[in-house]
Amino acid sequence: AQTVTQSQPEMSVQEAETVTLSCTYDTSESDYYLFWYKQPPSRQMILVIRQEAYKQQNATENRFSVNFQKAAKSFSLKISDSQLGDAAMYFCAVNQGGKLIFGQGTELSVKP
Amino acid sequence: DTGVSQNPRHKITKRGQNVTFRCDPISEHNRLYWYRQTLGQGPEFLTYFQNEAQLEKSRLLSDRFSAERPKGSFSTLEIQRTEQGDSAMYLCASSLDYRAETDTQYFGPGTRLTVL
Repeated sequence: AQTVTQSQPEMSVQEAETVTLSCTYDTSESDYYLFWYKQPPSRQMILVIRQEAYKQQNATENRFSVNFQKAAKSFSLKISDSQLGDAAMYFCAVNQGGKLIFGQGTELSVKP
Repeated sequence: DTGVSQNPRHKITKRGQNVTFRCDPISEHNRLYWYRQTLGQGPEFLTYFQNEAQLEKSRLLSDRFSAERPKGSFSTLEIQRTEQGDSAMYLCASSLDYRAETDTQYFGPGTRLTVL
């Protein structure tokens, strides 16, 4: 069975600084996708970034980038120049046969 | 707005009553997923459809739960004889079907169910 682990229940960052959220996963698949989703309080889940497992290059979307270590099954999210609007729950997920397996989430707070 | 929509957004019911939720996916998406999210946890997969066919159901989906997607467009999730443990956020997502394992799912706002 696939599992996704986010070991940081809560993280805090100062506005304009950089923060890294950790995620490890376990899968027997050889080809898969990994995702980071953001869920603001009382708002819907939105896709932040995705990574194709067969690609060596780490994905980047504006201020968001990942550090994908396939051998270590690690998939961390780096947020640069943090903004107040980045405050949310962040979920790491792996795609298993079409369905997503999620971690338990990391609650990120941003201090002004 | 062409995103995933869900109705109602909130539902309060008494234990033992039946409830039904609706999900309208993004129009060109063939796959539709249902997840359940309890407070402080990540979403858990319940079931998914390829067009009108229900392809997989989680063991979390007891006999009291039934989902349909009759014409391959919108979907309904019904819970019969609700229990307090059914209280959760029910999320719907949809995706294109060019390759299921690598597809990107887009989520609706969810229906929050409270069972008294």
